Amino acid sequence: SAVISQKPSRDICQRGTSLTIQCQVDSQVTMMFWYRQQPGQSLTLIATANQGSEATYESGFVIDKFPISRPNLTFSTLTVSNMSPEDSSIYLCSVEITGLGTEAFFGQGTRLTVV
Amino acid sequence: GQSLEQPSEVTAVEGAIVQINCTYQTSGFYGLSWYQQHDGGAPTFLSYNGLDGLEETGRFSSFLSRSDSYGYLLLQELQMKDSASYFCAVRDRGTGFQKLVFGTGTRLLVSP
Repeated sequence: SAVISQKPSRDICQRGTSLTIQCQVDSQVTMMFWYRQQPGQSLTLIATANQGSEATYESGFVIDKFPISRPNLTFSTLTVSNMSPEDSSIYLCSVEITGLGTEAFFGQGTRLTVV
Repeated sequence: GQSLEQPSEVTAVEGAIVQINCTYQTSGFYGLSWYQQHDGGAPTFLSYNGLDGLEETGRFSSFLSRSDSYGYLLLQELQMKDSASYFCAVRDRGTGFQKLVFGTGTRLLVSP
């Protein structure tokens, strides 16, 4: 299994500012995934972060808005830039353990409110 | 693209059996998973079907029919703590790696 520490757990931010969310895993993983979940909605993949290469973004998400860092095999950050109220959501990081293949583990999420 | 459809809400009473359906359309298929998420919590893995048929894990079972692009999660002997959202998810090979695409989600409300 994997234990994921994500912080902050929640934040209230002013529009136009940026917030960086951190995700720390207790084991080395090749890929880390960042999701967005609107309240009461499903999870939407933002991007996949590989160590040593640029993140791969899904349709509708761009690096300028959601820059991602992946400095090593246990850590990643997602920044939500130039925030607007539409960015209010829950942001989740996730990993999958090589060898298990079928199970994803999630952090507790960051509940972001933009005012 | 990919799409996974689920009923938005299901209600049941304690001790009952409930089935949550999932129909999917994907470009390339590599198994169907189910996740549970309590309000304010993280999604947690429940089950995985890579092949057709039924997989049983305690009170929970999951079924897959690849020819019908359909699966379901069966919850037996419902308990209050089963009240949560349930998501089906498929692995879809995209941009060179496998990623999870989640269904629309089903909110299960269990009453006494």
